[in-house]
This record gives sequence, C-alpha cells and structure tokens, in this order.
Amino acid sequence: QKEVEQDPGPLSVPEGAIVSLNCTYSNSAFQYFMWYRQYSRKGPELLMYTYSSGNKEDGRFTAQVDKSSKYISLFIRDSQPSDSATYLCAMSDRDSSYKLIFGSGTRLLVRP
Amino acid sequence: DTGVSQDPRHKITKRGQNVTFRCDPISEHNRLYWYRQTLGQGPEFLTYFQNEAQLEKSRLLSDRFSAERPKGSFSTLEIQRTEQGDSAMYLCASSLRELAGYEQYFGPGTRLTVT
Repeated sequence: QKEVEQDPGPLSVPEGAIVSLNCTYSNSAFQYFMWYRQYSRKGPELLMYTYSSGNKEDGRFTAQVDKSSKYISLFIRDSQPSDSATYLCAMSDRDSSYKLIFGSGTRLLVRP
Repeated sequence: DTGVSQDPRHKITKRGQNVTFRCDPISEHNRLYWYRQTLGQGPEFLTYFQNEAQLEKSRLLSDRFSAERPKGSFSTLEIQRTEQGDSAMYLCASSLRELAGYEQYFGPGTRLTVT
C-alpha cells in the first residue's frame, strides 16, 4: 500500500462546476499538506499548502485537511478550461527533512 | 525569471552512456531537492541538500547516481551507465529553510530518454 493514495481519474466536468479532488494517507506523522498543479510535460506548480487540520482558502481554491480521517481535499469553484491539468497532493513532516511524498495525481478535464 | 531553472530540458541518450543534469535554485534558497517522476506517477524523492551538504539520499538513488551542490548554489545530478529504466522526468525543487522547508518550488524538469 502506498503512503498516499489518489484517484488517477480522469475527472471530466463542465465549465463552471465545483471540482472536488481528494487524497488519503497512512502516515500519521505528516504535518504539512500541499497541492500542486502540473500541466503536461511541465514541472509541478505549488497551489496551496496547509499545516495540520483545518481549511484554507485562496481565490477559487479551498484546501481541507482532516487528520483524524487521514483525508485531504482540494475544491475548485467556478472551474475553467485552463484548470485542466493533473493535480498532485503531497505531504511531509519536519522530522523527514520536509521531503515531499506525492500521490499519483488526478487528471482533471474542464469542458468548455 | 527568478524561478528554478533546469538544463537541459530534454536529453536522449543511449544505454550505457553517462548524463549530467543541472539545476539552478531560486536565489537564496538554501535547500535543494531532486525528485524523479515516471509517467502516470507522482514525483519520488531522490536526495536533498542543505547548502552544500547532501543530507539524505533515497534508496532509489543507486550507486550509478551522484549529486553535488558545490558552494551551495547550483546542483548537478549525474547518472553513469544509463539503463532504460532511468527514463523519467528529473525534477529539481528549492525551498528556504527559515520559512518552511515543505514550501518547495519546482523547476520545469529534465526529461531523460534512454534508448
């Protein structure tokens, strides 16, 4: 079993829809939770990061962390075709030198 | 552009050849990480540097792989005697330890194809 599980998709939604992306993890030591967006053949782009449990909002994006369930989510409101990409969740903890443990990514397609 | 840069962007090599990649981190970022990403997977940690010191290496980093960060600035990743299984995207990321080591910014990657 992988430390971080993520549904690979693809997830196809119409423009304007609310998108929900999720990851589960097994290592209770994780303290920091990140979401990256990766366009085809490009490097990952940091979207948001959250420390411990709770919610964080940035524009159309909301990240949620539930440490008790070992479950994190990224919501995208008013999705746009330009949001079409692969979304990677990543996690780390201070005792592991902050190295990132990634999920396999969810491919999102927003249809015009 | 003040982001992380990597060179070359693409490299095609024959099995058995040596290759070297370069990463220039964001200025003043003292932590530098190398990851490897294969198709359909998330990046996997290879190694990281705090300034010029290499502090951790993954089990994925076989003896054919070596990384350096002279003077704590740019870093190089060398693969000797390449194998077809080395074909992947090699990603470099940097962070500023004093702020948050987990806040890592990635470069565009070097795509390696071993024929």
